[in-house]
Amino acid sequence: SQQGEEDPQALSIQEGENATMNCSYKTSINNLQWYRQNSGRGLVHLILIRSNEREKHSGRLRVTLDTSKKSSSLLITASRAADTASYFCATALYGGATNKLIFGTGTLLAVQP
Amino acid sequence: EADIYQTPRYLVIGTGKKITLECSQTMGHDKMYWYQQDPGMELHLIHYSYGVNSTEKGDLSSESTVSRIRTEHFPLTLESARPSHTSQYLCASSPGYNYGYTFGSGTRLTVV
Repeated sequence: SQQGEEDPQALSIQEGENATMNCSYKTSINNLQWYRQNSGRGLVHLILIRSNEREKHSGRLRVTLDTSKKSSSLLITASRAADTASYFCATALYGGATNKLIFGTGTLLAVQP
Repeated sequence: EADIYQTPRYLVIGTGKKITLECSQTMGHDKMYWYQQDPGMELHLIHYSYGVNSTEKGDLSSESTVSRIRTEHFPLTLESARPSHTSQYLCASSPGYNYGYTFGSGTRLTVV
């Protein structure tokens, strides 16, 4: 079974609306990261939140982490058509020295102009 | 701009051919990774490296092999390509723990 599972699998919103994506994981982590992927190309790192942090902001992005529920959420505020992409969460497992990331199943976000 | 480069971007090749997918980074990162991704699906780790002369297999079994003779270079080789190898291959690097990855643009491989 997957370490990271995201929901919803797909999300369609209008420009200007907020988009929220959720990620759940199974084992203890050192940090959790969010990435964006446009049209099957390489992934772009968005934000990293450590296991001892609860919330982090970067521009229009807000990430929360609840280690007791083993879940995280990514909020994109005031979405734009350019935000259309797939979004993946990835977890770095606790105690690992290699910084291996386990990726979730992804959420496909479509922002309609 | 990408600081990690993958070539070729697209490759269509016949069954049984040997291929090498190139990955180079200019950031001096010790840790490098290869992931495999089918369209619309999650990424699966197939190989990683801590540094020069260090390589490990990832969580997804793969018939490919890798080498790390120089810090900046982490090529992936398939000795005999099969249609089941058709996928996108993504290379990434990281400076270490608690840092994000930088990804290349990927190589989309089709074996016919």
